[in-house]
Amino acid sequence: SYELTQPPSVSVSPGQTARITCSGDALPQKYAYWYQQKSGQAPVLVIYEDKKRPSGIPKRFSGSSSGTMATLTISGAQVEDEADYYCYSTDSSDNYSVFGTGTKVTVL
Amino acid sequence: QVQLVQSGAEVKKPGSSVKVSCKASGGTFRNYAITWVRQAPGQGLEWMGGIIPIFGITNNAQKFQGRVTITADESTSTAYMELSGLRSEDTAVYHCASSTYYNDSSGYYYIGHDLDSWGQGTLVTVSS
Repeated sequence: SYELTQPPSVSVSPGQTARITCSGDALPQKYAYWYQQKSGQAPVLVIYEDKKRPSGIPKRFSGSSSGTMATLTISGAQVEDEADYYCYSTDSSDNYSVFGTGTKVTVL
Repeated sequence: QVQLVQSGAEVKKPGSSVKVSCKASGGTFRNYAITWVRQAPGQGLEWMGGIIPIFGITNNAQKFQGRVTITADESTSTAYMELSGLRSEDTAVYHCASSTYYNDSSGYYYIGHDLDSWGQGTLVTVSS
């Protein structure tokens, strides 16, 4: 089955840049989507189609994709950005969707 | 943006089934697809499957083949996820989420991955 691999954790100080990677064989052909999930809450879409930002999402969140890796960047991370982040995409046939393994971002 | 409200928490015996509902309001139900995602305690998000209600097109994860049934009732703007053969590992919070849908040059429709509205989650506990 198709898998998307993320680092388990990323830690930065406030104001620094956090980068979260997502690796998957189909990412050269398929978009990546990124979700933020704070403790006890439902996930929130923060990036769609690799690099587009939904309305209401702060500009410090950006996305990129190159080859088999998609990256979510938080430029000038804030304490309120502490959360779990998941990438989400589909296999090469568009038959099966999958979430990444998840990355816990700590800002302190 | 559509709002999604799910049914309440359930406690089930192993081997039984559970059916979770997801009622949409504030938008046009036929303009959306509904995806079901679950999260076991302390674990990550897991895609289960989804439906495009206007066409009745469904797509389920291989892991749940034969155990999950996703349906929708346009008349009540409600989607449902039924999981059978419950086991302790199915204890999780089950979420519904809405997205766009799109079609390719062959006319086949696909559920989008832009899950921009989520239900509050339904805790399903499987215990003897």
